[in-house]
Amino acid sequence: ETGVTQTPRHLVMGMTNKKSLKCEQHLGHNAMYWYKQSAKKPLELMFVYNFKEQTENNSVPSRFSPECPNSSHLFLHLHTLQPEDSALYLCASSQTHPGTSGWSEQFFGPGTRLTVL
Amino acid sequence: GQNIDQPTEMTATEGAIVQINCTYQTSGFNGLFWYQQHAGEAPTFLSYNVLDGLEEKGRFSSFLSRSKGYSYLLLKELQMKDSASYLCAVLDSNYQLIWGAGTKLIIKP
Repeated sequence: ETGVTQTPRHLVMGMTNKKSLKCEQHLGHNAMYWYKQSAKKPLELMFVYNFKEQTENNSVPSRFSPECPNSSHLFLHLHTLQPEDSALYLCASSQTHPGTSGWSEQFFGPGTRLTVL
Repeated sequence: GQNIDQPTEMTATEGAIVQINCTYQTSGFNGLFWYQQHAGEAPTFLSYNVLDGLEEKGRFSSFLSRSKGYSYLLLKELQMKDSASYLCAVLDSNYQLIWGAGTKLIIKP
């Protein structure tokens, strides 16, 4: 596997279900991100992990729960979702530089298309 | 608030040139990105501008004017495979990416 992979690619769930999205990056990066992409709307940053520590949580509802066990894996645990949570969920990774304001381009996975019934 | 504006949709002809504009109002500026996203696929990095001027990369060029809060992506010799959404994103003073909604480019034969 190369780049950033996400599973599953498609997910249909009821509002009472619990499911998890998985992301894995094979690029040796130290930062990982979860985004929500809805039709005709800008990408919404949900969570950021730098060196396995969560550094951003952009007012995301508690029904979304991230987990980053190591710098290569990122999960998004879902429970009691609402129909408006239906969207494409994208994972990305990048290499950040500790102690500086360095940046690098983000590499995205193919996303999980989530439908909440 | 922070805002990125780009046209929702554009149509162009195969072999022609198209310019996709992006204007931004953000708290600080640390660079502007363009990404390409084909339907059902991941966004892929195209360009990064942090200084004013034109950056050319093959058939694609990206321009930035920081004083005007303006950028454009120029695509030359359009091919059918260029049909995709083009996303503009600005890195703000907190090094957070602020994204536009994307421009869907339709290429006609």
